[in-house]
Amino acid sequence: SYELTQPPSVSVSPGQTARITCSGDALPKKYAYWYQQKSGQAPVLVIYEDSKRPSGIPERFSGSSSGTMATLTISGAQVEDEADYYCYSTDSSGNHRGVFGGGTKLTVL
Amino acid sequence: QVQLVQSGAEVKKPGASVKVSCKASGYTFTGYYMHWVRQAPGQGLEWMGWINPNSGGTNYAQKFQGWVTMTRDTSISTAYMELSRLRSDDTAVYYCARESIVVVPAAIEDYYYYYGMDVWGQGTTVTVSS
Repeated sequence: SYELTQPPSVSVSPGQTARITCSGDALPKKYAYWYQQKSGQAPVLVIYEDSKRPSGIPERFSGSSSGTMATLTISGAQVEDEADYYCYSTDSSGNHRGVFGGGTKLTVL
Repeated sequence: QVQLVQSGAEVKKPGASVKVSCKASGYTFTGYYMHWVRQAPGQGLEWMGWINPNSGGTNYAQKFQGWVTMTRDTSISTAYMELSRLRSDDTAVYYCARESIVVVPAAIEDYYYYYGMDVWGQGTTVTVSS
């Protein structure tokens, strides 16, 4: 079955740039989506279609994709950005089934 | 405002079934697909499938084929997820989440445009224990 691979953890100091990667064989043909989940809360969509930001999401969140890797970038990370981040996409087999990456714990301190 | 309100926590014995509801309000229920996602304690998100509330069509993750049933009642803007033959490792928080998916018919294969799961329910804890 299709898989998306993320690093288990990323750590930055406040004000630094955090980059979280997501790799998958179908990403050259399929968009990536990014979700932020803070402890005990439901996930929140922060990036859709590789690089689009929903209304209400701070500009410091951006996304990009090249080849088999998608990247979520948080420019000037803040303490409140500490959370788990999950990439999501669909496989390219035509069955439109979704899959989440394993998640990345972002620590900002 | 737009919201999804899920049913309350459930405790089930192994082998039983559970049915979780997700009531939508503040938008046109049939205009958005409904996903179901689960999260076991301390684990990541797991996509289970979606239902198109307009047609009733479903798309399940291969792992859950024959084991999960997603339905909807458009008269009360509610989606349901039923999981049968529960095991202890089905203990998890189950979320519903809506997504706008636009399907464009094409000669060879329809093209799907996905806009992201932008509204989530609060989650329903299902505990499976003897």
